Amino acid sequence: NAGVMQNPRHLVRRRGQEARLRCSPVKGHSHVYWYRQLPEEGLKFMVYLQKENIIDESGMPKERFSAEFPKEGPSILRIQQVVRGDSAAYFCASSPEAQGGETQYFGPGTRLLVL
Amino acid sequence: AQSVAQPEDQVNVAEGNPLTVKCTYSVSGNPYLFWYVQYPNRGLQFLLKYITGDNLVKGSYGFEAEFNKSQTSFHLKKPSALVSDSALYFCAVRDGTGTYKYIFGTGTRLKVLA
Repeated sequence: NAGVMQNPRHLVRRRGQEARLRCSPVKGHSHVYWYRQLPEEGLKFMVYLQKENIIDESGMPKERFSAEFPKEGPSILRIQQVVRGDSAAYFCASSPEAQGGETQYFGPGTRLLVL
Repeated sequence: AQSVAQPEDQVNVAEGNPLTVKCTYSVSGNPYLFWYVQYPNRGLQFLLKYITGDNLVKGSYGFEAEFNKSQTSFHLKKPSALVSDSALYFCAVRDGTGTYKYIFGTGTRLKVLA
């Protein structure tokens, strides 16, 4: 009974490189959320996706960040030309439905360090 | 706009004593409220949630939370704290505007002292 899986768990990039973060939701879950956590802060919503659709990307920076959740395979959060300020923990969560009472289940996160 | 406040950055409590971690919220419409716990370098683990019904909600690891509509609060409680409860606790409210994303509080660090 696998939960949400994220890889890599740790990612080191130099400024200007690309970072690709992967998230495999709980089996049977079709709703994926991405959150970012800066040190000693709460989680901030970035994007909400269903299979092949971006539903809400109001929390995503307008440039350099993109997300997808293809019909097959994991959800991908992509950060192009990373800068030091992108260093954070990125968490993925999934749920079977998108209703108010649905619990979101979180992965272990990917900790991105930009040198 | 929906919001959540956790007024205490840190709470210290002696092992065996009751603990309370505070959370207040602001929502339009019916609130959906959640508590999560985060251990170092780990993801968030679900503790409990309030959707409707009884104001006292029981969750994992002996935790419970009391929903108080008049005070717009959803404080997390446990009758007897354990050292292993030491962690970062987050309160969250569900955005009822359609996408149901979580809006998190800033977190409260709980330290249970032996």
